[in-house]
Amino acid sequence: NAGVTQTPKFQVLKTGQSMTLQCAQDMNHEYMSWYRQDPGMGLRLIHYSVGAGITDQGEVPNGYNVSRSTTEDFPLRLLSAAPSQTSVYFCASSYSWVGNQPQHFGDGTRLSIL
Amino acid sequence: KQEVTQIPAALSVPEGENLVLNCSFTDSAIYNLQWFRQDPGKGLTSLLLIQSSQREQTSGRLNASLDKSSGRSTLYIAASQPGDSATYLCAAFTQGGSEKLVFGKGTKLTVNP
Repeated sequence: NAGVTQTPKFQVLKTGQSMTLQCAQDMNHEYMSWYRQDPGMGLRLIHYSVGAGITDQGEVPNGYNVSRSTTEDFPLRLLSAAPSQTSVYFCASSYSWVGNQPQHFGDGTRLSIL
Repeated sequence: KQEVTQIPAALSVPEGENLVLNCSFTDSAIYNLQWFRQDPGKGLTSLLLIQSSQREQTSGRLNASLDKSSGRSTLYIAASQPGDSATYLCAAFTQGGSEKLVFGKGTKLTVNP
């Protein structure tokens, strides 16, 4: 199994540009989420989804949009990139959110905004 | 608001030592407590998950405990090896209308040969 696949692995953007970070899982997981990891801040939740068609905001949602049209895919969109969004972004999934299944993480997307 | 704290932030030990990593959380309304390992430049790998009704979980040389009443979890690593060098993160999957994993900032472990 491929697990959780994130693309691209690296990206450099200019301020004001938009882009979509892709996340796909092949484990039929209902729960998917996006985190950003910054030095000294740890991992912070951006958005999450408990199933297709259902999304909700996490701790730091401003400047990001998500949608969940299929169980497999959970893309993260940066609407107008800002230097403060320079970070490493991780997508994660689990079978359910009820609490007895571990989270599976992708390898991350390293994003730099100039 | 759930807050998760890990102490110490960094730890350096000689090979072969048994060691304990600490994690504390402020809100006991959790579904589970998870421990992860992160190698430099890599994603997170799940090590152990303790459900809220459980007291501990074991996998090989790793043992994690959970005390909800005191808001604490520990990760015990037996007979440490240089390959155990990594950052260890704990995370509480929190209940209460916003089901989400709240992470500590991690403990960076170095095991010296």
